[in-house]
Amino acid sequence: GAGVSQTPSNKVTEKGKYVELRCDPISGHTALYWYRQSLGQGPEFLIYFQGTGAADDSGLPNDRFFAVRPEGSVSTLKIQRTERGDSAVYLCASSLKGGQYAFFGQGTRLTVV
Amino acid sequence: GENVEQHPSTLSVQEGDSAVIKCTYSDSASNYFPWYKQELGKRPQLIIDIRSNVGEKKDQRIAVTLNKTAKHFSLHITETQPEDSAVYFCAASRDDKIIFGKGTRLHILP
Repeated sequence: GAGVSQTPSNKVTEKGKYVELRCDPISGHTALYWYRQSLGQGPEFLIYFQGTGAADDSGLPNDRFFAVRPEGSVSTLKIQRTERGDSAVYLCASSLKGGQYAFFGQGTRLTVV
Repeated sequence: GENVEQHPSTLSVQEGDSAVIKCTYSDSASNYFPWYKQELGKRPQLIIDIRSNVGEKKDQRIAVTLNKTAKHFSLHITETQPEDSAVYFCAASRDDKIIFGKGTRLHILP
């Protein structure tokens, strides 16, 4: 596709459930980033992939959060045992390589009830 | 790790006046500084960026300045228009992850 695509756009889940959020980056972009954005806040860094490997996962808040990018393209952010505090918009971005012009997806709004 | 501070958090300016948003960063190895604009309910979009080998960059009404010694960079918007109302984010990177500031909500007053 022409841009970064994220699915689903919205996800409502019950506390304690497992969720997966998908990001389809721009073709050819080797760098992929996940962020979490709460209302009125800036994008909070979660994890950065260079190719298939997680080059920096220092932003993941705890071990309930995990992300993969097995073929160096599509990435999935996985959240186990969701908590109400996980509610936020999860943004994905990609760039040709790290530290360059990054394009954002439209985000997935996660609501944990 | 990198830390980016941004201020002010809110800024109101009269239409036609200039707006300035300032950021500081902590990692002296950072070499890429993008600025993003986010309108309500939309994704952040890049408006201008600068690399550390350049002190200033201008694109029409928007300019960014960088002071590497002080680890400061600023966004300048001249002749502000109603469509400039949005939240603006600065960010810093050293060829890897991109770290964002908390944002400045810019209001353009009629």
